Amino acid sequence: QQQVKQSPQSLIVQKGGISIINCAYENTAFDYFPWYQQFPGKGPALLIAIRPDVSEKKEGRFTISFNKSAKQFSLHIMDSQPGDSATYFCAASISNGNEKLTFGTGTRLTIIP
Amino acid sequence: NAGVTQTPKFRVLKTGQSMTLLCAQDMNHEYMYWYRQDPGMGLRLIHYSVGEGTTAKGEVPDGYNVSRLKKQNFLLGLESAAPSQTSVYFCASSYLSGYSPPYEQYFGPGTRLTVT
Repeated sequence: QQQVKQSPQSLIVQKGGISIINCAYENTAFDYFPWYQQFPGKGPALLIAIRPDVSEKKEGRFTISFNKSAKQFSLHIMDSQPGDSATYFCAASISNGNEKLTFGTGTRLTIIP
Repeated sequence: NAGVTQTPKFRVLKTGQSMTLLCAQDMNHEYMYWYRQDPGMGLRLIHYSVGEGTTAKGEVPDGYNVSRLKKQNFLLGLESAAPSQTSVYFCASSYLSGYSPPYEQYFGPGTRLTVT
């Protein structure tokens, strides 16, 4: 049972464009929603995260939009650059003391010139 | 600080062989995790530990065992490797909740395992 569904599987965006990756979750107990970025041959690294008490969080060119009623959240990358080409994973967790993350299936983003 | 390191980086096993993957962290983190990454399936939690001497099952624990004898080390064992265990394995660690930022997991560089 996949608790966090991520789309699209792959995405190609022109340099300077907006990249949008979507995730949906089922478990309403989730209370922390991070995005991880992974470059080829490397481990994932935390990019940005949000809690459900806010609808949006922005850090530089990266923004998370969160819709609690729809149980959806998305990552927006403004002014996408070739250096943003990577695989992006959304995730969710519950604050119950073990900090387990449930990951989406990943989106391979390619920024073309 | 080296962060999270994993040994070995690559390994090829034959079906039925055993091996141990070592994860080490120098950040004094309480929590440690083992994931496997397969194409189209994201990262799936195998086992995790919330402190020295404690371990628990994750989403896909079958065929794996773990041990956390020292706070800084988390070992993942395959007793009898199967081709279905061909994957990239990642170790991660994190602080107890309450630190800033909370819940961030720091990942190692991965171990690519092929079972023939």
